[in-house]
Amino acid sequence: QEQLVESGGGVVQPGGSLRLSCQTSGFRFDNHGVTWVRQSPAKGLEWVAFIQYDGSQFYADSVKGRFIITRDNSKNVVFLQMDDLTLEDAALYFCARDLLHLGDFSLWGQGTRVTVSS
Amino acid sequence: EIQLTQSPSFLSASVGDRVTITCRASQGVGSALAWYQHKPGKAPKFLVHSASTLQFDVPSRFSGSGSGTEFTLTISSLEPEDFATYYCQRLSPYPPYTFGPGTTVDF
Repeated sequence: QEQLVESGGGVVQPGGSLRLSCQTSGFRFDNHGVTWVRQSPAKGLEWVAFIQYDGSQFYADSVKGRFIITRDNSKNVVFLQMDDLTLEDAALYFCARDLLHLGDFSLWGQGTRVTVSS
Repeated sequence: EIQLTQSPSFLSASVGDRVTITCRASQGVGSALAWYQHKPGKAPKFLVHSASTLQFDVPSRFSGSGSGTEFTLTISSLEPEDFATYYCQRLSPYPPYTFGPGTTVDF
């Protein structure tokens, strides 16, 4: 069945780096855009980054210049390289797949937690 | 950039209640609006596409309406599994894919 599974979360010090992975299966990966969305404690859903089916990349202002989203169509996986992490980046990170190239995220993973602590 | 606001931010309700959540856009977006349901620690669930199109696995007690700048998500008779936070989001071919601030439906 269609599925997304996130991994790579963990505990990191401020200024550190992490690389999240979103492994997908069960659908035609190169037909869909994939996004990362995060939720920090007591906050709502925050859009982080998006990579279109054609590889075009987009970022929220809060992470621009620090995060890089990439995809490997041969392995059906999307990555989020996160550098220079701050306390504000601590959150549960979800990846999701779009449906009709409209930011309509119809399929989500269960999330991977990023903790930023000294 | 189009901003989304939601009201109320918190809603106290009981099983069987009719619940209505409003989402307002700072500029007209036609019918390009989606609704999601999110429970703590779980994956968000896509409920409504294009303001009013219910996704296939969403119960018929949910409905979406509106266009332009004002949209509503209605739950006709609240079930125990509906206690969650609901978010609206603008649909577009290009980001940013900003979510509304959310409405928490609780006891």
